[in-house]
Amino acid sequence: DTEVTQTPKHLVMGMTNKKSLKCEQHMGHRAMYWYKQKAKKPPELMFVYSYEKLSINESVPSRFSPECPNSSLLNLHLHALQPEDSALYLCASSPLGEDYNSPLHFGNGTRLTVT
Amino acid sequence: GESVGLHLPTLSVQEGDNSIINCAYSNSASDYFIWYKQESGKGPQFIIDIRSNMDKRQGQRVTVLLNKTVKHLSLQIAATQPGDSAVYFCAESRGYQKVTFGTGTKLQVIP
Repeated sequence: DTEVTQTPKHLVMGMTNKKSLKCEQHMGHRAMYWYKQKAKKPPELMFVYSYEKLSINESVPSRFSPECPNSSLLNLHLHALQPEDSALYLCASSPLGEDYNSPLHFGNGTRLTVT
Repeated sequence: GESVGLHLPTLSVQEGDNSIINCAYSNSASDYFIWYKQESGKGPQFIIDIRSNMDKRQGQRVTVLLNKTVKHLSLQIAATQPGDSAVYFCAESRGYQKVTFGTGTKLQVIP
């Protein structure tokens, strides 16, 4: 079992819907990440939060809106998505050391289908 | 642009043999490298990492080799088992949190 919990495991939404993906970790990690993974492709970085502040946004469309309410929680709010946004959305966390070099701990993802 | 890639998309090995998965990276400024294993329906799982000031690191049944001269990274799995069947990704970062993944290699273990 992973120490990063993502809900829901599966989500089907229409292009006019608003939904949210949730991620939770209790390892005391102060960095949290959203990645997007298409089938048979590597994960692609979307957002990074450090100490609950957005530190990296990889030019993600505004229909994806991240939120970090506290050091344990990370949300991804979805609105007006397109079918091509269908993918596995992965959350990860890591400790923040002096050199930032620590492995990421991933959840098992939310499988999103946009119809 | 910056990229981390793999030579072989699929690797088939006999159970009990050793596996070697290779990865080439293009950014000479990368200073931290990680191998992840991803099983079907799961998120990537950390296997082993290595910093740029090292050329070899060993774990339990796994060894990572780093050749900075040719910008090459490899993962060696000893006595490969059916449970090792998965997709393996190398990843690199440069001292901040932007971790970039390579294209992945699917390892198939033949019983």
